[in-house]
Amino acid sequence: AQSVTQPDIHITVSEGASLELRCNYSYGATPYLFWYVQSPGQGLQLLLKYFSGDTLVQGIKGFEAEFKRSQSSFNLRKPSVHWSDAAEYFCAVGTGGGNKLTFGTGTQLKVEL
Amino acid sequence: ETGVTQSPTHLIKTRGQQVTLRCSSQSGHNTVSWYQQALGQGPQFIFQYYREEENGRGNFPPRFSGLQFPNYSSELNVNALELDDSALYLCATRAGIQETQYFGPGTRLLVL
Repeated sequence: AQSVTQPDIHITVSEGASLELRCNYSYGATPYLFWYVQSPGQGLQLLLKYFSGDTLVQGIKGFEAEFKRSQSSFNLRKPSVHWSDAAEYFCAVGTGGGNKLTFGTGTQLKVEL
Repeated sequence: ETGVTQSPTHLIKTRGQQVTLRCSSQSGHNTVSWYQQALGQGPQFIFQYYREEENGRGNFPPRFSGLQFPNYSSELNVNALELDDSALYLCATRAGIQETQYFGPGTRLLVL
């Protein structure tokens, strides 16, 4: 069965600093990988996804992620964080064309002004 | 704005009762999935419907059931509510395989 590990429960960064959120997955076949963001009281918004092809994926709001098969990782990065990026971030792996998504437990991002 | 709406936004029920949650999606989104997100956790897959038939289910008991209608709306029904059913319930819809799933804002259910 597939699984996702997000080792950092909370991360605090200063506004303007760079950000990297870690994600490791376990899945037997080629994974479909996703990063979602959730603001308080909101649903999930898709930041980016990887299905195949270029392992560096660009998303919305200036985010990018790199798929590294050898490390089973799909880390999310942003070169300069804005205060509005404070939210909870979820990594997910999808099966069967991205059908069933298995989510990690999330990383809560706090941005200090 | 994802075009996916859910109702109600909040709901309080007592243990043993039954609840129906609703989801409405964009036209053409023939696939809907439901997820349960407990406090402090990531969403967990409940089941998926494609063209009005269930075609995938997570580790949830049969008292969790669903329906999908021809107008692209859907329902999640939970019978014999338990305290642990308290959670945010999210629906996600999409137009086909490898298409982006769009999540609704969720329904927050509290079981007392």
